[in-house]
Amino acid sequence: DAKTTQPTSMDCAEGRAANLPCNHSTISGNEYVYWYRQIHSQGPQYIIHGLKNNETNEMASLIITEDRKSSTLILPHATLRDTAVYYCIVRVEYGNKLVFGAGTILRVKS
Amino acid sequence: DAGITQSPRHKVTETGTPVTLRCHQTENHRYMYWYRQDPGHGLRLIHYSYGVKDTDKGEVSDGYSVSRSKTEDFLLTLESATSSQTSVYFCAISEFDEQFFGPGTRLTVL
Repeated sequence: DAKTTQPTSMDCAEGRAANLPCNHSTISGNEYVYWYRQIHSQGPQYIIHGLKNNETNEMASLIITEDRKSSTLILPHATLRDTAVYYCIVRVEYGNKLVFGAGTILRVKS
Repeated sequence: DAGITQSPRHKVTETGTPVTLRCHQTENHRYMYWYRQDPGHGLRLIHYSYGVKDTDKGEVSDGYSVSRSKTEDFLLTLESATSSQTSVYFCAISEFDEQFFGPGTRLTVL
């Protein structure tokens, strides 16, 4: 599975969009970009995933660059409850293993 | 929320004692996983199962064994606990793609 690089931490004002970047320059053609988050002391929670087209669900949007070497997770209206560690993971679809890096600590502030 | 429970939720034990952690699911998902999480590290895969009696090693499997005799239960055993196995252990399940995580077990080995 390709390696990902994320900023260590980010701050966002409540109500504003949170844009979390991820670099995955060695991604292969059959690898998807997944995002999970982990709120303090809880188990990780799936957010979204995509291959090359932009994806949107009730939680977030995922924007993948045309060359697929980077992506951005967008939380459109961040709330205090979105404060968490966000993990960007690359793997083949339906692959068994998730390889978690250190993730990005997102702090949403009022 | 996916029906995943872990037991016990907290345990304190002494070095050299055997410990078994249980993950129970009510979703009938095929895949089950055990991860550990330590400060400074993301989640790391210990073992996983892709069916009853079918298991495989993850990246940090030394000192751990697993068993899955029923679809709903996945047991993680530390045959002789060491202080380096003090950690938070998460169980996860999946059928197709998204992994659902349990609430975690905090294990302390003195």
